[in-house]
Amino acid sequence: GAVVSQHPSRVICKSGTSVKIECRSLDFQATTMFWYRQFPKQSLMLMATSNEGSKATYEQGVEKDKFLINHASLTLSTLTVTSAHPEDSSFYICSVPRGPSTGELFFGEGSRLTVL
Amino acid sequence: GENVEQHPSTLSVQEGDSAVIKCTYSDSASNYFPWYKQELGKRPQLIIDIRSNVGEKKDQRIAVTLNKTAKHFSLHITETQPEDSAVYFCAARTSSGNTPLVFGKGTRLSVIA
Repeated sequence: GAVVSQHPSRVICKSGTSVKIECRSLDFQATTMFWYRQFPKQSLMLMATSNEGSKATYEQGVEKDKFLINHASLTLSTLTVTSAHPEDSSFYICSVPRGPSTGELFFGEGSRLTVL
Repeated sequence: GENVEQHPSTLSVQEGDSAVIKCTYSDSASNYFPWYKQELGKRPQLIIDIRSNVGEKKDQRIAVTLNKTAKHFSLHITETQPEDSAVYFCAARTSSGNTPLVFGKGTRLSVIA
């Protein structure tokens, strides 16, 4: 079964609205989760590292006021795309480290956002 | 930070032939190197991984080699089949701490029947 659950899998919204994407770790607690973005025919690019109980760490070029990350519990991290624009249309995917020293990451199913 | 380069970006092979995809990494602290297969619109699927204490790992038709000195690792697929057609990504990270995976740009593999 799934280890990481992400939803919604698809969302279409109007320009200017906000969209929230949830990422849940189902089988274990996760103090850290990673959010990636993937544009068509491109690789997965790290957007931010979500830290439970503290502020997220954003990669260079990612606007923290536009992509709000909340990691309020050990099993849930949310990404909110605020005031979405068509250029924000992308595949957003979260991942959770399997453990402190294994290396492996579990990925959510991904969320395809289309902003009209 | 880590930087992963991947080549080639596209690869076409005849069914039954072998396919090789190569990656290099920059951070000598990286010790975990997974390979993912991604089909359109879906999440990446781990197909094989290797850690820095191992030079080679094989799983049926798939093998990965790692050269720590040269900081490069490769994916080898033998006896390719049409269902192997997908985008493959290499990645690297350190397994300790909370460091993210850094991905290569991907290789689109087409297996021609």
